[in-house]
Amino acid sequence: NAGVTQTPKFQVLKTGQSMTLQCAQDMNHEYMSWYRQDPGMGLRLIHYSVGAGITDQGEVPNGYNVSRSTTEDFPLRLLSAAPSQTSVYFCASSSGGGPYEQYFGPGTRLTVT
Amino acid sequence: AQKITQTQPGMFVQEKEAVTLDCTYDTSDQSYGLFWYKQPSSGEMIFLIYQGSYDEQNATEGRYSLNFQKARKSANLVISASQLGDSAMYFCAMREARFSGNTPLVFGKGTRLSVIA
Repeated sequence: NAGVTQTPKFQVLKTGQSMTLQCAQDMNHEYMSWYRQDPGMGLRLIHYSVGAGITDQGEVPNGYNVSRSTTEDFPLRLLSAAPSQTSVYFCASSSGGGPYEQYFGPGTRLTVT
Repeated sequence: AQKITQTQPGMFVQEKEAVTLDCTYDTSDQSYGLFWYKQPSSGEMIFLIYQGSYDEQNATEGRYSLNFQKARKSANLVISASQLGDSAMYFCAMREARFSGNTPLVFGKGTRLSVIA
């Protein structure tokens, strides 16, 4: 049981490049979310999904795309990387929207130069 | 409007002492959940404790307890008998339950706790 996995752990991009951050969970969780963490800002929600085929925007969705074709995977795509997207990205999942613990992946540290 | 407010950017506590980390929240929903997470310097997010809005008793998990004051909309985390390993960032978070379904977890900006020997 791997829980929530994220790849890569570290990534450096040049401005304008695109890439996909991968997230997978093996707990059959319905809810999956992407957050970014910046110093002094806490975790801010980028996008989330309540099930396969359903996604919605969070607080800071601009510059990011998501899709949820399977229950297990929830990739985050950066369309054209900008220095403002330098951050640590966390993927999380939970079995429902109620009083359920949200499990976090280990994070991806992204630097855009 | 900010839904979760943690007013203490940093806190210091002596080892073996108790410490309270403040959290206030804003919601018009009757049904919601409040969570606390710990983030050590290694970066992972560790779930600590949960309190439901309809729970009559304050939640406790080992040395962690949640001082839930619904009328004041506060959900403070109390750590008893602090240990050096408690030094970390602590995040308060809320999930609202709406008629249309539940909403994602929203986090506060965090409090950095430093435990001094």
